[in-house]
Amino acid sequence: EPEVTQTPSHQVTQMGQEVILRCVPISNHLYFYWYRQILGQKVEFLVSFYNNEISEKSEIFDDQFSVERPDGSNFTLKIRSTKLEDSAMYFCASREDGNYGYTFGSGTRLTVV
Amino acid sequence: AQTVTQSQPEMSVQEAETVTLSCTYDTSESNYYLFWYKQPPSRQMILVIRQEAYKQQNATENRFSVNFQKAAKSFSLKISDSQLGDTAMYFCAFIEGAQKLVFGQGTRLTINP
Repeated sequence: EPEVTQTPSHQVTQMGQEVILRCVPISNHLYFYWYRQILGQKVEFLVSFYNNEISEKSEIFDDQFSVERPDGSNFTLKIRSTKLEDSAMYFCASREDGNYGYTFGSGTRLTVV
Repeated sequence: AQTVTQSQPEMSVQEAETVTLSCTYDTSESNYYLFWYKQPPSRQMILVIRQEAYKQQNATENRFSVNFQKAAKSFSLKISDSQLGDTAMYFCAFIEGAQKLVFGQGTRLTINP
């Protein structure tokens, strides 16, 4: 069964450093998403991406965040200057056009120290 | 804004029992999709079951079934013959149109041997 692949599975970074979280969505999917989950809390929407541009973003997704689909297969989330409160599980998801069954990746656990 | 409410933070049942997890949501739309996701200790998000609002028949996937009450905006998940591997966080989620998936706060389900 096709999978959404996320790397790395766990990343530890110093506060103020830039991090890039990587995702490879399912190949025929057209909609891409990033969500995050702070430990013990619910899953929160960050951003959606379609047709090579952001289609919606939440208030969490401020100027410190950016997304890119640099080569037609990867979908990346960049955090420019990490803060302690960015520590969370970050999930990438994708879906087909007309099918609302999201497929989630296994997540990247980001720890900011 | 759409909201999803799970009123049971934690539930615990014995193996082989049946358990029902509650979910209510708020929307003014008539067509939308509802989901239950399972998050085991590995923290991966796994789709358990989905329901299209325009379908009157309740969705069923093996031991998992839903009770979809559209007028009451209720979407409960029933797990029959519960197994130890069902121990996880369960999230109810909602999407309308091409918008983002909105999650409830989650219910931590423990199946005891």
